[in-house]
Amino acid sequence: ELKVEQNPLFLSMQEGKNYTIYCNYSTTSDRLYWYRQDPGKSLESLFVLLSNGAVKQEGRLMASLDTKARLSTLHITAAVHDLSATYFCAVHFTSGTYKYIFGTGTRLKVLA
Amino acid sequence: GAVVSQHPSRVICKSGTSVKIECRSLDFQATTMFWYRQFPKQSLMLMATSNEGSKATYEQGVEKDKFLINHASLTLSTLTVTSAHPEDSSFYICSASSGLLPLTDTQYFGPGTRLTVL
Repeated sequence: ELKVEQNPLFLSMQEGKNYTIYCNYSTTSDRLYWYRQDPGKSLESLFVLLSNGAVKQEGRLMASLDTKARLSTLHITAAVHDLSATYFCAVHFTSGTYKYIFGTGTRLKVLA
Repeated sequence: GAVVSQHPSRVICKSGTSVKIECRSLDFQATTMFWYRQFPKQSLMLMATSNEGSKATYEQGVEKDKFLINHASLTLSTLTVTSAHPEDSSFYICSASSGLLPLTDTQYFGPGTRLTVL
């Protein structure tokens, strides 16, 4: 079964703190995406990770991929209020079918 | 960058009527389009995958006769919710993929359509 799980589901953190969101998936994938969604809006693409050990950074966000562990992380450094949003990972599965499965989402609230 | 539009952005309809949602890729040809639905504070659930000129592939549990998908051209896919009921109220998001570069290809998301069935 194709499953993508994220944790935590909810995250409330103080400005200036660091935290990591985890994304686990159930079977082999050739790429993994991270997205941001603001309330009532569609998805904004943050990162695409294509290979084992891939690391990408943009501002206060850094994403990494460990394909052997089937795990991706999204690390937040020195959080600011503007980062408050819901973050989704999505995994591209190709075995048997070509589809993207989204994780459960992590609702992040950064408190001033 | 690649842009995907959806129309309408919001629609309110009466129970029993049908609603059509359009998804267009504005500056690229989309060989594949995906339709998702999202309930409040939940994740995106893939409903179906459509390839231009062929029948859509529906996910398990999604009724083909209720959610009609047509991918008539490389820039347009439509989702028709037939005989809509209040439980069909949701946020529907489409995405499009060009499929030209498998290693770096990605899906570009539309802005979403909020459907409310009274």
